[in-house]
Amino acid sequence: GNSVTQMEGPVTLSEEAFLTINCTYTATGYPSLFWYVQYPGEGLQLLLKATKADDKGSNKGFEATYRKETTSFHLEKGSVQVSDSAVYFCARNSGTYKYIFGTGTRLKVLA
Amino acid sequence: EAQVTQNPRYLITVTGKKLTVTCSQNMNHEYMSWYRQDPGLGLRQIYYSMNVEVTDKGDVPEGYKVSRKEKRNFPLILESPSPNQTSLYFCASRGNGGFGEKLFFGSGTQLSVL
Repeated sequence: GNSVTQMEGPVTLSEEAFLTINCTYTATGYPSLFWYVQYPGEGLQLLLKATKADDKGSNKGFEATYRKETTSFHLEKGSVQVSDSAVYFCARNSGTYKYIFGTGTRLKVLA
Repeated sequence: EAQVTQNPRYLITVTGKKLTVTCSQNMNHEYMSWYRQDPGLGLRQIYYSMNVEVTDKGDVPEGYKVSRKEKRNFPLILESPSPNQTSLYFCASRGNGGFGEKLFFGSGTQLSVL
């Protein structure tokens, strides 16, 4: 089937800690993969994306690599800040017009 | 400024009273879509529109209607709302380069059906 699975939250880290949020997908074919971020009270906004295997998306210190062999797109950041506190969604397209989102992972960064 | 505008931001209504949530984008995007966000379920797609007068069902279309008479507007209609439609709703549009393009989201509409 088509699905996106991401790790349960919440994730609580101290400032400057290393972050990993796991995301795996199932698909027939090779979808485009996305990470969106939702700050409190706002809509989602694209954080980064990758459209083919082995591509690395990066933005604002966050990175994720499209791994075809493990069907994964894990989000990482070397040193988180309090301002990174948000909900993070992994997503993939399903065909040309549909999108599948994970359940979201809430990140809380403590000063 | 490029944006997707949804109204209202908050809405409380009663079972069975028809309502419309409006969505407008100023980017000349062909593709628009509606999602609902529920705890533990993430975002689920309700309907999408590929262009004017062309719409199709997403994964959870029951109880919703949409229309696309103009490119910029894509309203979501609940003809007879029920409490299980209490949710946070998002409208989104997409750049015209295909499924690899990013989605632009509105700020959301929190709907409560009593």
